[in-house]
Amino acid sequence: QVQLQESGPGLVKPSETLSLTCVVSGYSISSGYYWGWIRQPPGKGLEWIGSIYHSGSTYYNPSLKSRVTISVDTSKNQFSLKLSSVTAADTAVYYCARDGLVTSEYFDYWGQGTLVTVSS
Amino acid sequence: QLVLTQSPSASASLGASVKLTCTLSSGHSSYAIAWHQQQPEKGPRYLMKVNSDGSHSKGDGIPDRFSGSSSGAERYLTISSLQSEDEADYYCQTWGTGIQVFGTGTKVTVL
Repeated sequence: QVQLQESGPGLVKPSETLSLTCVVSGYSISSGYYWGWIRQPPGKGLEWIGSIYHSGSTYYNPSLKSRVTISVDTSKNQFSLKLSSVTAADTAVYYCARDGLVTSEYFDYWGQGTLVTVSS
Repeated sequence: QLVLTQSPSASASLGASVKLTCTLSSGHSSYAIAWHQQQPEKGPRYLMKVNSDGSHSKGDGIPDRFSGSSSGAERYLTISSLQSEDEADYYCQTWGTGIQVFGTGTKVTVL
């Protein structure tokens, strides 16, 4: 059973960088698949942030691309998200999920999510 | 532009059926989509992928009362024999080269 667990600070100050990590168990990232980040502002819908292949190839949401970096560490079986210059609009529950096998397509396993609040 | 349209809400009685619709934007009627369920205060859960020909493949442990179908640019999720735990938000999702899109979600209420 594939399981994903997000971790990171729950509070980030405006203009700083949000950093989250997703640890994967039950599947070796180096074996394949894209891995993605999705967020959900309080009371709102889902927004895709970006996805990364086990080799390091990435796709980013064009609306966030200038501020987002996603990286992968196959030795630790985890991948990470960095979002720079955050504002209150970046307050959301952040989810990590398993994406497609060969190309970025749909998410079939999700983490439980972690709330990140941007506030001074 | 790749866009998914969903009705904001739907309701049906306990034990009845409900059919949710996700509409693909013009020029994208051949795209497959995925359905995800989000119960209150929980993370999303993958339900199934629905192809343009109506075939679908479910996620692990998804009950038979969840089914998918297609017609033109519309993709459907039908929930039969509604249970109280089916009260949730349902999101459709699709993808293109290097891009992912979610619909705005449909809130299902079990009466």
